Formats: sequence, structure tokens, C-alpha cells
Amino acid sequence: RKEVEQDPGPFNVPEGATVAFNCTYSNSASQSFFWYRQDCRKEPKLLMSVYSSGNEDGRFTAQLNRASQYISLLIRDSKLSDSATYLCAVNLNTGFQKLVFGTGTRLLVSP
Amino acid sequence: DGGITQSPKYLFRKEGQNVTLSCEQNLNHDAMYWYRQDPGQGLRLIYYSQIVNDFQKGDIAEGYSVSREKKESFPLTVTSAQKNPTAFYLCASSILGSEQYFGPGTRLTVT
Repeated sequence: RKEVEQDPGPFNVPEGATVAFNCTYSNSASQSFFWYRQDCRKEPKLLMSVYSSGNEDGRFTAQLNRASQYISLLIRDSKLSDSATYLCAVNLNTGFQKLVFGTGTRLLVSP
Repeated sequence: DGGITQSPKYLFRKEGQNVTLSCEQNLNHDAMYWYRQDPGQGLRLIYYSQIVNDFQKGDIAEGYSVSREKKESFPLTVTSAQKNPTAFYLCASSILGSEQYFGPGTRLTVT
């Protein structure tokens, strides 16, 4: 089993739709979780950290489910500009901030 | 203007040549990292450094070397021993134990 797994997609949604992605992790001792957004041929940009209590930033909501070992990202009222690849990253708690990244989920928002 | 810079943006080399990729940050971050990204794949950790004059191998260090003589700088050398050097190289930095921020990347093509 991979340390961090994501559905590669693509998720094709119309503008205004709500879409959710999950990311599963294998190490139950993982402590830190993040969502990054990566546009085509660009660097990943931090979208949000994922806290135990959940985290909301405008149209974006991140949740952590420790029992089932996954994090989720919910995007409400999708915009064309949300089209990108969304990477999750997990700190495996090896005594150092070593992030393991998923391969990403591609989102395509259409008019 | 704080951030992480990588140069050059595009780099072309002939097989058998060593090449050094630059990474500089003025965020006063202690930790710096080098990743490689191949099409359709996640980020893979090459090397990381927590403090000046110290660095550790990541998951795919063979064929690469680094130095950390200054806090702000973490150059990566891709040696001729690296069998498949063509890739998108990303440098990141972080405060220890916190989220990572990425530079714009260098696309290396070796022919």
C-alpha cells in the first residue's frame, strides 16, 4: 500500500458545483497534513493546512478523519480558476518534517 | 520581497555533464528540500537539510549531491551518474516542523 494515495481523476465539474477529494494515508502516527494546489507546469502552492478540528478558508474546507486515516478537501461554488491538480501531503512523523506527497487529483471546472 | 528563487527556469545539458541547480531563500527558514517531479508522478524527495553544514539523503539521492554552506542557499548538483535526469526539480523551505513553501522550479532536459 502506498504511504499516501489520491484518486488521480480528472474530476470534471460545472461551474458552481461542489466537489470533494479524499486522500488516504497509511501511517497512523502521521501528525501534519496539508493540501497544495499545482497549476500546469508550475510549483505547488500551499492551499491549507489540515487541523484535527477541520479548517475552512472561504469556499475551501479541509477535514481530517483519523479513524479512517484520510483527509478531505471540499470546494464549494467551483470557479473556472479552481481547475488545477490538488496534492495532499502528510508528515509521517519520523522525527523530521518529511512530507510525503500524493500524486494529485486533477480538477477541471467547465463553464 | 520574501520568497524562494530557483535558477535557471529551463536548463538543457548533454548527457555526461554535471549540472548545478540554484536555490535561494530569504524567508529565514532553517530547513530546505529538493524534490523531483516526473509527469504523472508525485514529488519525490532527493535531499533535505535542517541546518547549515548538515544534510540527509531523501528517497532518491543516487546521482545527486548537495551542499548547505549558507542558511539561504541549497544548491543541487545533478551528476552524470543520475540515469534519468530529465525532470522538473523543485526546491522548498520551511520552518522546522511547519509547512513547506516551494520555489518556481527548474525544468532540466538532458539529451
